[in-house]
Amino acid sequence: NAGVTQTPKFQVLKTGQSMTLQCAQDMNHEYMSWYRQDPGMGLRLIHYSVGAGITDQGEVPNGYNVSRSTTEDFPLRLLSAAPSQTSVYFCASSYGGQGPTNEKLFFGSGTQLSVL
Amino acid sequence: AQRVTQPEKLLSVFKGAPVELKCNYSYSGSPELFWYVQYSRQRLQLLLRHISRESIKGFTADLNKGETSFHLKKPFAQEEDSAMYYCALSEGGGGNKLTFGTGTQLKVEL
Repeated sequence: NAGVTQTPKFQVLKTGQSMTLQCAQDMNHEYMSWYRQDPGMGLRLIHYSVGAGITDQGEVPNGYNVSRSTTEDFPLRLLSAAPSQTSVYFCASSYGGQGPTNEKLFFGSGTQLSVL
Repeated sequence: AQRVTQPEKLLSVFKGAPVELKCNYSYSGSPELFWYVQYSRQRLQLLLRHISRESIKGFTADLNKGETSFHLKKPFAQEEDSAMYYCALSEGGGGNKLTFGTGTQLKVEL
């Protein structure tokens, strides 16, 4: 089982460029989410999805778009990259709903993004 | 809005010493709290959740609603415990949408 797969692992962008961070999971999880991790700020929720076709904003959604056309994939799009978006991005998934099995988040290995 | 506070950025202890990683929260509802851990070069993973009242790798955490705390404890630190630890709070209805603290780096010295 691959679990949660993120690509690319590293990326350098110039200010104003756009790109898509890919996230895929093979566990048939309903819930998927994107976090960014910044020094001294922990992990902050960007966007999340509770199922295919359903997305919602998290704590820091500005400058990012998401869509969920399939259960497996949840790409994160940077529309016009800014230096403030330099961060490590983590995708996570879970079964969704309540209960000890459903609530456990599985994380990807992260994408380190630098915007110059 | 909910908030999770981890006051220590870095906690350094000697092997065999007790460990306590502090976590305080603010939330108006009934919280669900978790500890996640990230070992070097590994993915962030769930360590334990308060509702299970379990002990994982010798770690325990008790939810104290009066003090709004969920401190992580271990009586005897091991070198392999060195990692980044995050306390997290769920808004409810499942632990899927989490608010994380800023994390505490635990370093266990020989």
